[in-house]
Amino acid sequence: ETGVTQSPTHLIKTRGQQVTLRCSSQSGHNTVSWYQQALGQGPQFIFQYYREEENGRGNFPPRFSGLQFPNYSSELNVNALELDDSALYLCASSHITGTGTLSGANVLTFGAGSRLTVL
Amino acid sequence: GQQLNQSPQSMFIQEGEDVSMNCTSSSIFNTWLWYKQDPGEGPVLLIALYKAGELTSNGRLTAQFGITRKDSFLNISASIPSDVGIYFCAGQLGAGGTSYGKLTFGQGTILTVHP
Repeated sequence: ETGVTQSPTHLIKTRGQQVTLRCSSQSGHNTVSWYQQALGQGPQFIFQYYREEENGRGNFPPRFSGLQFPNYSSELNVNALELDDSALYLCASSHITGTGTLSGANVLTFGAGSRLTVL
Repeated sequence: GQQLNQSPQSMFIQEGEDVSMNCTSSSIFNTWLWYKQDPGEGPVLLIALYKAGELTSNGRLTAQFGITRKDSFLNISASIPSDVGIYFCAGQLGAGGTSYGKLTFGQGTILTVHP
């Protein structure tokens, strides 16, 4: 069983630039959630994708956007980068059945994250 | 954004000692979770709690879902060096399937175990 993989593992950008982070969900999972983890803090929910649509969003501005693809992989895009966007970005996958219930309830499987530094 | 209040922020203990950490919230949660995060890794689920008052064990770990639904604690017995890491509590507000990915995390407890 393949776990959640994220790329790139580390990257450095400058203020105003745009970044795309990628996530491959665990085999058998159809839902992807993205979290931002600032240094010394707990992860904060950005948004979740299910059936290729955004399904819930945390307190993040519209310059944070995402996509989910038919193979359930996902991208997180951040435009107009700010210094405070420097963080570890975590992707987590899970599985929701067709009835809307979660298989292995609450078992979010996290990737190792993408460490973004904005200079 | 909203975070749970987790304490203590850090702990330094000797191998073999027991550890206790807790999490409180001003809001009710339907599910409480405890995760551990090692350096360079994502959080890994340790214990999930689904019912108020529930007490659940996973090896040397024991966690409880507070009766008010606003708190939870995690105990680790007979600590060992590999217990070192950051422990996070997390709460889930919704009860529906598609809400399961939306968790609110605490600030974390950094655990150091001296051999």
